[in-house]
Amino acid sequence: GQNIDQPTEMTATEGAIVQINCTYQTSGFNGLFWYQQHAGEAPTFLSYNVLDGLEEKGRFSSFLSRSKGYSYLLLKELQMKDSASYLCAVRGYNTDKLIFGTGTRLQVFP
Amino acid sequence: DTGVSQDPRHKITKRGQNVTFRCDPISEHNRLYWYRQTLGQGPEFLTYFQNEAQLEKSRLLSDRFSAERPKGSFSTLEIQRTEQGDSAMYLCASSPGGTGGLQETQYFGPGTRLLVL
Repeated sequence: GQNIDQPTEMTATEGAIVQINCTYQTSGFNGLFWYQQHAGEAPTFLSYNVLDGLEEKGRFSSFLSRSKGYSYLLLKELQMKDSASYLCAVRGYNTDKLIFGTGTRLQVFP
Repeated sequence: DTGVSQDPRHKITKRGQNVTFRCDPISEHNRLYWYRQTLGQGPEFLTYFQNEAQLEKSRLLSDRFSAERPKGSFSTLEIQRTEQGDSAMYLCASSPGGTGGLQETQYFGPGTRLLVL
């Protein structure tokens, strides 16, 4: 079966650091994606990991451990505009479709 | 704006009616995807195309759903005899279609929000 788990909700304070975890069990693995989605809007691409390790892109970093079926998205220097849902998605072998988790709704407070 | 576009952005219909949505991908993107998203859930895969060929279709997709990409550019998604359970956001995405990194990244359009009364 295919299963992707992420926390449903998280809260954090402006200027802080937050880590959003994602664990997955899928039939094959060929890349993990993180997307940001503001309410009522389309998902926007944040990061892509296919090899183990950390990918850094400005205030956002994403980590992958394939042996553990685990990824996290790290958001630094949080801003109010970072309040959104963060979606973890996995692509399996021989397919281009993405399997999404339910998303983590992050609320940033002043 | 050269991103993915979808039309209409909102659609209200009565149960039993047919609806059709259009998606225009990013120029020169070979792959085009359709997903459905309900409130509080992540997007759920429906189908995808490479150029005009439909390569994969979700088993969750009933016979009432059909998608086409006749010239390998824009795509349409039709839902026949709509049901209240079809109410959702229908998202289209496109990717360049190559291998590795950004070539495989899917970029989403703004979605079509469907409400079936």
